[in-house]
Amino acid sequence: EAGVTQFPSHSVIEKGQTVTLRCDPISGHDNLYWYRRVMGKEIKFLLHFVKESKQDESGMPNNRFLAERTGGTYSTLKVQPAELEDSGVYFCASSPYRDSSYNEQFFGPGTRLTVL
Amino acid sequence: QQQVKQSPQSLIVQKGGISIINCAYENTAFDYFPWYQQFPGKGPALLIAIRPDVSEKKEGRFTISFNKSAKQFSLHIMDSQPGDSATYFCAASRVRAAGNKLTFGGGTRVLVKP
Repeated sequence: EAGVTQFPSHSVIEKGQTVTLRCDPISGHDNLYWYRRVMGKEIKFLLHFVKESKQDESGMPNNRFLAERTGGTYSTLKVQPAELEDSGVYFCASSPYRDSSYNEQFFGPGTRLTVL
Repeated sequence: QQQVKQSPQSLIVQKGGISIINCAYENTAFDYFPWYQQFPGKGPALLIAIRPDVSEKKEGRFTISFNKSAKQFSLHIMDSQPGDSATYFCAASRVRAAGNKLTFGGGTRVLVKP
């Protein structure tokens, strides 16, 4: 079974540019999460999709960040325009939807974003 | 405000020794406490997890100790091996109320010397 994949693995952009990160969850996983780790800090939650619906976007830093999950499969996270403080590693995770909870989240390898 | 505090930030242990990582949390509504292991270039992977109704869980060389009254939990790695060298993250979540979003500690970089 393929794991969670993310593209690109690295992205270096200038301040003010736009970047789109992509996440392909494990097939059949309804839950999809985005997290971010800024240098030296903890991994922080950004948002949570259940299928194509945003369940919780309380962690999104501001309106420069836009996440979508069309058709309930892959997800994109767009940063427009990018600022220096957006640099970090963006992780995507997925888990199956079950009523019983405690679902293990499977993480992708992350996208390292550097804004110059 | 960091809701899950993890210490130490890094530690070095000799092969065969015991690695101990501690975490403290503030939100008493948390009901799931996983530990994740991350190798360079990879994403975090679930190592072991515990619920607050038990005080200890052991899986192989890895043990979680949980102290609900103190709001603390720790990871013990027994007989540490060079292959255990990685970054370890503790986390906590409110599974039903908040969709299982994870609140992470700051991470501990563990180096096991042969």
